This record gives sequence, structure tokens and C-alpha cells, in this order.
Amino acid sequence: DADVTQTPRNRITKTGKRIMLECSQTKGHDRMYWYRQDPGLGLRLIYYSFDVKDINKGEISDGYSVSRQAQAKFSLSLESAIPNQTALYFCATGLAGGPSYNEQFFGPGTRLTVL
Amino acid sequence: GQQLNQSPQSMFIQEGEDVSMNCTSSSIFNTWLWYKQDPGEGPVLLIALYKAGELTSNGRLTAQFGITRKDSFLNISASIPSDVGIYFCAGLLGSNYKLTFGKGTLLTVNP
Repeated sequence: DADVTQTPRNRITKTGKRIMLECSQTKGHDRMYWYRQDPGLGLRLIYYSFDVKDINKGEISDGYSVSRQAQAKFSLSLESAIPNQTALYFCATGLAGGPSYNEQFFGPGTRLTVL
Repeated sequence: GQQLNQSPQSMFIQEGEDVSMNCTSSSIFNTWLWYKQDPGEGPVLLIALYKAGELTSNGRLTAQFGITRKDSFLNISASIPSDVGIYFCAGLLGSNYKLTFGKGTLLTVNP
């Protein structure tokens, strides 16, 4: 079974709709992240969470919100989707300490299209 | 934000050839990570580097943490068709826990 899972894998929606992307992990990691990937722009951080009570904005948080429901679950919401939010979205996890604490492990991604 | 310059943007090589790519920055990093992304999948961590000058291998892949801490290199020896994909570098600055990613190198291997 995959360590980091994302649902849905693909989603097509219309402008103005509310969308939630979900991420679950079985790695036991404290830290979780949401990124978006656009062609030519690489991966950009939307939000990150170091534990259930800690939520932080990344470099492109406008138009997005998150919820850390449990250590293993971190969801990303688009309150009112717009076409320029069409992208690949990735969840990632990481350790809070230890020799590998800077490493991040990615889920398979969600392809979101906003019409 | 911080910038990582990754080059080349793309490479077309013949099976069996060696490949080199690198990332540079004007900032000093304390961690360098190299990832590979296959089409339709998420990035997979290949190699992590934590010390300046460190040279680490993972099979046919070798990566180095530059002495100046401002660059890193990834080499792939004897390429095979399944090496095709996008390779990303990522760096971590000081006590900042947020990774900065390069824009990727698209590798194509002709059989």
C-alpha cells in the first residue's frame, strides 16, 4: 500500500465551486505539506503543518485553505475555484527530527482542472 | 523567494550514455535533495545530501553537495530507458524548514 495517498486523483470542476483535496499518510510523519505544480514553474508551497495544531502559509496560499484533521490527514480546500488554479497538486510528508528530518515524501498527486 | 537555477532544462541522450545535471544558487543551503518524477506520478526522493563536499550514490546515480554549499550535482551513469523523467533538485536554507525546488531537468533516453 502507498505511504501517502491523495484523493481524488483527477477532478474537473467549474469556476466558483468549492473543492476539497484530501491527503492521508501511514508513514507516521508529523509534518505535512501541500504543493502545486505548474509547467515551467516547478513545485510551489501552498501550506504546511508541523503538527495537528500548527498550520502555516506557504508562498502561494491566497485562494486556498487547509485543515489538519489528525496527524495522518491534511486536506486542501479551494473555497471558490478559478481557472488559474488548474494544476497538479501534491501532498508531502516529513519527519520532525532525526537525521532525515529535511526529507519530504510525496503522494501521487491530484490533477485539478477548473473550467 | 529564493531561487535555484537548475540546468540543463532538458537533455536528449542515447541509452548507455552518462548524464550530468546541476543546481546552483546565490544562497547557502544546508541540505540538498534530488527527486525524480515520472509522468502522472509524484516526485520520488533519490538522494539526500547533508554535508558540504558529501558524495552519495544510489545505484547508478551519484550526487554531490558542493563545497561552497551553493550548488549540487547529479550524475547518472550508463543510462537506460527507464531513467526517462523529470529530475528536480531541492534545497533547504538554514533553519527554514521550507524546501526550494529547481524547475527540473527533463531527461529523454533514446533506446
